[in-house]
Amino acid sequence: DTAVSQTPKYLVTQMGNDKSIKCEQNLGHDTMYWYKQDSKKFLKIMFSYNNKELIINETVPNRFSPKSPDKAHLNLHINSLELGDSAVYFCASSQVVRGLASTGELFFGEGSRLTVL
Amino acid sequence: AQKVTQAQTEISVVEKEDVTLDCVYETRDTTYYLFWYKQPPSGELVFLIRRNSFDEQNEISGRYSWNFQKSTSSFNFTITASQVVDSAVYFCALSEEETSGSRLTFGEGTQLTVNP
Repeated sequence: DTAVSQTPKYLVTQMGNDKSIKCEQNLGHDTMYWYKQDSKKFLKIMFSYNNKELIINETVPNRFSPKSPDKAHLNLHINSLELGDSAVYFCASSQVVRGLASTGELFFGEGSRLTVL
Repeated sequence: AQKVTQAQTEISVVEKEDVTLDCVYETRDTTYYLFWYKQPPSGELVFLIRRNSFDEQNEISGRYSWNFQKSTSSFNFTITASQVVDSAVYFCALSEEETSGSRLTFGEGTQLTVNP
């Protein structure tokens, strides 16, 4: 069983379209993330949810909207896609031990490569 | 603000050579965590190691070893007797302790190529 799974793995679309990437984790973690990896391989956090609550929202255009229906799922919807949105989007999860801070180890999905034409 | 610097953008070695990947970090927190991740050509991110700021012991795992030095804010990674399968992008990352999750700050990565 894949611990963190994302769909689709590849997505090719036209500028201006709206698309979604889905993520599911079966590790029982209560925190999930979206990271973006650009063409230069630079990885940067976009969002983080803890128990369905948004806790990290980096400077990301509001065309990007995460949604967490439950703590095992975190989806990313992107409106009005632009060329610069082409990247690999990684979902990740981690566990926060009750009463303690997270130790930070993230488990990543395999990534979703988005290409905007 | 936290920052991770991997000054080596690309390294190329011949198989069986030892290679060290450098990582220097900046943080104002006294409690933090350092990580190394490997990204092979297939694209997934593979966790290699986590080290907390209170544990400066060096660690060895097979051909991999890590040298954590708080005095120089460095967390370097050495591969001994490198193999072609070690070819990948390696990321160093830093996480400051947060109560409801963690924000990993990644370095820019070092592309390691091991030639036969």
